[in-house]
Amino acid sequence: QVQLVESGGGEVQPGTSPRLSCGASGFIFSNYGMNWVRQAPGKGLEWVAHVSYHGKLTYYADSVRGRFTVSRDNSMNSLYLQMHSLRADDTAVYYCAIIPLDPTYRALNAWGRGTTVTVSS
Amino acid sequence: QSVLTQPPSVSAAPGQRVTISCSGSSSNIGLNYVFWYQQLPGTAPKLLIFEDNKRPSGIPDRFSGSKAGTSATLAFSGLQTGDEADYYCGVWDTSLGAVVLGGGTRLTVL
Repeated sequence: QVQLVESGGGEVQPGTSPRLSCGASGFIFSNYGMNWVRQAPGKGLEWVAHVSYHGKLTYYADSVRGRFTVSRDNSMNSLYLQMHSLRADDTAVYYCAIIPLDPTYRALNAWGRGTTVTVSS
Repeated sequence: QSVLTQPPSVSAAPGQRVTISCSGSSSNIGLNYVFWYQQLPGTAPKLLIFEDNKRPSGIPDRFSGSKAGTSATLAFSGLQTGDEADYYCGVWDTSLGAVVLGGGTRLTVL
C-alpha cells in the first residue's frame, strides 16, 4: 500500500526556516519524481516544487523559488522541503505527492494527509 | 492568476451530465499529459484522470477525460450528491519547467 506521511509543520514565526519531511512506503521511492503542493486556507491547490527521481533536477513555483529547497534521500525513502524567509502568505497545508505526469509513473499516484504550516508572529 | 483556466463553479441536478473545462496553451496542455483531481472538503485530493483520459483503479467509468489542442475536459455522467467537491486540472508546463494547476471548479449538485 502506497503511503506518504508528512511531518514538520506547526506555528512558526516570520523569517524562520523550518524543514518539512515526507516519509514514503509501499513503492520503490527512488523510481519516481516527487512533489510538494500546498493549499492556503480557503484557497485552491498550489504546486510548490518537484524533484526528479534521482534528486538531481529540481523545479519550483515562482512564489517560492530562492526561498525553498526541495531534496530527497532515496536511502531513507524521504522527501524534504527546506523553507527559508517564511512569510504570512506561506501559511498553508503542505502535501507531499506523487503526481503521474507521464507514462513513466505507471499510474502511481498518492498524496499524504498534509502538514499545516502557520506563519504568525 | 492560474496558467490553466477553469470555470469557478458548475452546477447540475442529480443524474445529469456535467463537464468542466480546462484551458491552457501549447507549452502545457498542447504538449503534455493532463490530470484531474477531486477534492472533498477537508481531505487530500484524489486522482480521477491521468494521461489525459485514463482512470486509476477504483474510479468509476462515469468519469472521463478528453483533450483537444490546448484544452481538456472532465466529464461525468449520472451526477450524485457525493460528487459535490472541488475539481482541479493540472499538467507539466515545458516552458515554465513547472507543474501548473487550474484554479479549481466547485461542483454543486442541485
